[in-house]
Amino acid sequence: AQKVTQAQTEISVVEKEDVTLDCVYETRDTTYYLFWYKQPPSGELVFLIRRNSFDEQNEISGRYSWNFQKSTSSFNFTITASQVVDSAVYFCALSVNTGTASKLTFGTGTRLQVTL
Amino acid sequence: DTGVSQNPRHKITKRGQNVTFRCDPISEHNRLYWYRQTLGQGPEFLTYFQNEAQLEKSRLLSDRFSAERPKGSFSTLEIQRTEQGDSAMYLCASSLVVVNEQFFGPGTRLTVL
Repeated sequence: AQKVTQAQTEISVVEKEDVTLDCVYETRDTTYYLFWYKQPPSGELVFLIRRNSFDEQNEISGRYSWNFQKSTSSFNFTITASQVVDSAVYFCALSVNTGTASKLTFGTGTRLQVTL
Repeated sequence: DTGVSQNPRHKITKRGQNVTFRCDPISEHNRLYWYRQTLGQGPEFLTYFQNEAQLEKSRLLSDRFSAERPKGSFSTLEIQRTEQGDSAMYLCASSLVVVNEQFFGPGTRLTVL
């Protein structure tokens, strides 16, 4: 069975601070995919990134960066110079390649509050 | 708008009534998923279609729940004899077979009184 743990329930930062959201996953499959989604107050889940289990390269997209470490089963997400618009709930998710379904297993989310 | 759409956005019903939700995926996407999200939790997988075939159902999906995807286009999720525990946000997502990203609709918020 797959499991995703986001231990940080809620984080509050002041605008322009850097913030890291933690994600730890569990799976016995060797082929899997990791995702981050953003859920703003409007409620719609917004896809941010996908990584596969064979690609441990870190990725940077603007103010966002992701650190994937198989040795610690972690896929952490850092926002640099946070902005008020970053306030949302962020979900880490995992899917395994079963050949048929690729359902997502989500963590419980981390609520990020960015204030002025 | 070329994203995933869901209707209605909100539904309030009385316990024991039947409700039906609709999801229209991104047009070229052949995979369609239903998830349920309760307050303070991440979405939980309910069921999945590839084209018109329902290939997997979660144990969360009791006999009161049924989903269809006729002709492999839009999908409907019906809940019969609703219970208060069914109150949640019901999310639909779609993806391409060869690409793993799932794109979500805005959800249908169900409140069972």
